[in-house]
Amino acid sequence: NAGVTQTPKFQVLKTGQSMTLQCAQDMNHEYMSWYRQDPGMGLRLIHYSVGAGITDQGEVPNGYNVSRSTTEDFPLRLLSAAPSQTSVYFCATGQGNQPQHFGDGTRLSIL
Amino acid sequence: GIQVEQSPPDLILQEGANSTLRCNFSDSVNNLQWFHQNPWGQLINLFYIPSGTKQNGRLSATTVATERYSLLYISSSQTTDSGVYFCAVDGSGGSNYKLTFGKGTLLTVNP
Repeated sequence: NAGVTQTPKFQVLKTGQSMTLQCAQDMNHEYMSWYRQDPGMGLRLIHYSVGAGITDQGEVPNGYNVSRSTTEDFPLRLLSAAPSQTSVYFCATGQGNQPQHFGDGTRLSIL
Repeated sequence: GIQVEQSPPDLILQEGANSTLRCNFSDSVNNLQWFHQNPWGQLINLFYIPSGTKQNGRLSATTVATERYSLLYISSSQTTDSGVYFCAVDGSGGSNYKLTFGKGTLLTVNP
């Protein structure tokens, strides 16, 4: 039982490049979300999904796209990377009135 | 949106000491969680506690929803308790998962 799996763990991009951060869960949780963590600012919600085919914006959605075609997967896309998107990205899942489970994070640097 | 303030921002303890971390929030919440981020960056859920008191080993938490605060108690601290402790709340009234995080308390436990 892997829980929440994020890939890659580390990535370096050049400004303007695109990439997809992967998040997969094997807990059959209905809710999935993406957060970014910047120094001194805690975590901030980017996008979330309450089920397959349903997504919505969080606090800081600009520059990011998401889709949810299956219960298990919730990829986060950067269409044109900017240095301001340098951060650590966390995927989380949840179900009902239960604690959320977080992946180990993806550390992204944009030059 | 809802505001979350944690105190103290930093705390240094000797092994064996007890500590109390505080989380204040600006509006009513339907979800409050405490997380520990270890030195490797992993986020571990400690408590799901929108109200009342819970205990898990040396850790316990109390949330007084009517007064908009929560406390995390760590007793007989160990070096492995070091890391950042986050409080996160959802005040949206619906999803139960749109978490707003505080900036955290950095705890250092010295041997």
